[in-house]
Amino acid sequence: ILNVEQSPQSLHVQEGDSTNFTCSFPSSNFYALHWYRWETAKSPEALFVMTLNGDEKKKGRISATLNTKEGYSYLYIKGSQPEDSATYLCAMNTGNQFYFGTGTSLTVIP
Amino acid sequence: KAGVTQTPRYLIKTRGQQVTLSCSPISGHRSVSWYQQTPGQGLQFLFEYFSETQRNKGNFPGRFSGRQFSNSRSEMNVSTLELGDSALYLCASSLAGAWQETQYFGPGTRLLVL
Repeated sequence: ILNVEQSPQSLHVQEGDSTNFTCSFPSSNFYALHWYRWETAKSPEALFVMTLNGDEKKKGRISATLNTKEGYSYLYIKGSQPEDSATYLCAMNTGNQFYFGTGTSLTVIP
Repeated sequence: KAGVTQTPRYLIKTRGQQVTLSCSPISGHRSVSWYQQTPGQGLQFLFEYFSETQRNKGNFPGRFSGRQFSNSRSEMNVSTLELGDSALYLCASSLAGAWQETQYFGPGTRLLVL
C-alpha cells in the first residue's frame, strides 16, 4: 500500500497570515499530484493538478509547487482569510488509481 | 452544468444487511470512481468504472461491488454489512479517468451500520 503523508495535521492561523502545508509521496509510480479543498458539508473541490517536476500552479492567493524527484509538494496560502478554512487534501495518481493523504485542516481566525 | 449527485445522502442499516448507493456523474463524463472515508483515514479508493467496465480496483473485499450503466450512472453495492463499513462514501467523475484529469466529487452518502 502506497503512503501519502500530509503535515501538519491541523493548523490555526490569524487572518492575514500566510501559511503552507506539505504533501509527501513516494517518487516511484508517480503520474500526477492533485490538490483539493474540502469545506465542511461540501464536496471536495479540485485546486490543482501537477505532473512535471518543478511545476508551479497558482489560483488567486493559493499556489502549489511540485518536486517529483524528492517526492513532495507544497501548498501555499497568502494572506489567509476566514473563507480559506477547510481541509486541504493531496492525492497522488499512479496511473490507475489515486492515493490520498489524510489532509491538513486549516482554521483561519478572524 | 449540474454537478455530481449521490443518493441517498444518509443511510442507516444493520449488520448483515446489504446496501446500494447511486452516483450520477456530470453530463459527458464517462469515468466514475468510488471512495470510502472512515474517521482518521484518508479517502480510500474502491474502484473505477469507465464505459460500463470496471477498469481499476482498490484493496477492498469482494463484499464491495459496483456497476455502471450505459448513461454512465454508477451504483455501488455492499453486501453483508459490518460495523466497520460505517463511513462516508464519495463518488467522483471525470471525462475519461485519465491520471491528469480533474475529478469532480459528489456530496457523498453517509452510511451508518448498527
